[in-house]
Amino acid sequence: QKEVEQNSGPLSVPEGAIASLNCTYSDRGSQSFFWYRQYSGKSPELIMFIYSNGDKEDGRFTAQLNKASQYVSLLIRDSQPSDSATYLCAVNPPYGQNFVFGPGTRLSVLP
Amino acid sequence: DAGVTQSPTHLIKTRGQQVTLRCSPISGHKSVSWYQQVLGQGPQFIFQYYEKEERGRGNFPDRFSARQFPNYSSELNVNALLLGDSALYLCASSRPGGSYEQYFGPGTRLTVT
Repeated sequence: QKEVEQNSGPLSVPEGAIASLNCTYSDRGSQSFFWYRQYSGKSPELIMFIYSNGDKEDGRFTAQLNKASQYVSLLIRDSQPSDSATYLCAVNPPYGQNFVFGPGTRLSVLP
Repeated sequence: DAGVTQSPTHLIKTRGQQVTLRCSPISGHKSVSWYQQVLGQGPQFIFQYYEKEERGRGNFPDRFSARQFPNYSSELNVNALLLGDSALYLCASSRPGGSYEQYFGPGTRLTVT
């Protein structure tokens, strides 16, 4: 069983729309959750992190965490073509210091 | 402040050879983690070092080894290279503890022929 799961996509949204990216994890004791953006051929870039249940907003990005459902999401408002990338969900499990990454969701924002 | 730096950027090696990859963390960060990312997949954890000690190891063979130096820079060594070792090798640094957010370097693209 995979520890962190994401829809591989591609997820296509029109410019200006809201993109919703989802992630589920298996380790119920996980405490820290991260979203990375990765452009093709580049390394992952940290865009959001969340540690507590609820919503966390930063500009056009909102991270949502529901520990009871073991579910993390990322909303991107007013999506732009420059948001087209692969979005990686990462979880810090309770048993170690490393991050466990999902396979990523490829987002395509259409002009 | 400079971000995480890695060298070399690209590397081509032959099966059976050995390779050393280098990483310098963000100033003030004492923890370094190494990940392998195969095309189309998320990064897979290899090692974490903090204060020159190994704090975690992923499910990789003993051909993979690493170390951290007093200045917190790190090296990843891979012996007896296989074709399947071809990947993007990522170094990430974080503040002490490792459960804080991690920041990645640009990566080293390793191709094994």
